[in-house]
Amino acid sequence: DVKVTQSSRYLVKRTGEKVFLECVQDMDHENMFWYRQDPGLGLRLIYFSYDVKMKEKGDIPEGYSVSREKKERFSLILESASTNQTSMYLCASSFPTSGRTYNEQFFGPGTRLTVL
Amino acid sequence: GDSVTQMEGPVTLSEEAFLTINCTYTATGYPSLFWYVQYPGEGLQLLLKATKADDKGSNKGFEATYRKETTSFHLEKGSVQVSDSAVYFCALSGNTDKLIFGTGTRLQVFP
Repeated sequence: DVKVTQSSRYLVKRTGEKVFLECVQDMDHENMFWYRQDPGLGLRLIYFSYDVKMKEKGDIPEGYSVSREKKERFSLILESASTNQTSMYLCASSFPTSGRTYNEQFFGPGTRLTVL
Repeated sequence: GDSVTQMEGPVTLSEEAFLTINCTYTATGYPSLFWYVQYPGEGLQLLLKATKADDKGSNKGFEATYRKETTSFHLEKGSVQVSDSAVYFCALSGNTDKLIFGTGTRLQVFP
């Protein structure tokens, strides 16, 4: 069974704090993703990593950075948290797409972050 | 750019009712199409997929047919159960590793 775990289910931080969200997967997936989920907006991709130390900006990277030092771990960093970053954050992982074979993304349970 | 539009929720049904959740897409080329489901307190999981026109994806009694002529991928189930209550996301992949999601539709099924 693929497992994607996230370090916290709920997190409360103050404006201006540096926040780390950790994600670990146990299936040797090359790809890892960070999304934020907001009501009425669905899931929006923040960053994508296709290999160790490789990253690509998603649709809404502003205010975020990422780190992938090991294949199984992908961290999302809020350098200076702001109230508009209050959201649900979802991590996912997958094997790379090969030809027309799409490889399913497996999601973690999410971290609900509140920034006060 | 590519996009997915799905019906607003919530959709409220009685147990054993017929379910349709509409999904249409805009994409260049020939995308793959997916439905993901998010049960309360959990992450998303793949429900079904279709990779080419006229393909029908099915799982757990849910079905969706890839209609290229109408650029649609509507989700259907003949008889919903309380345990189907969840948020359903339509998504597409333009044969890359990234997914583009719709806004999600919440389904509430009452006994």
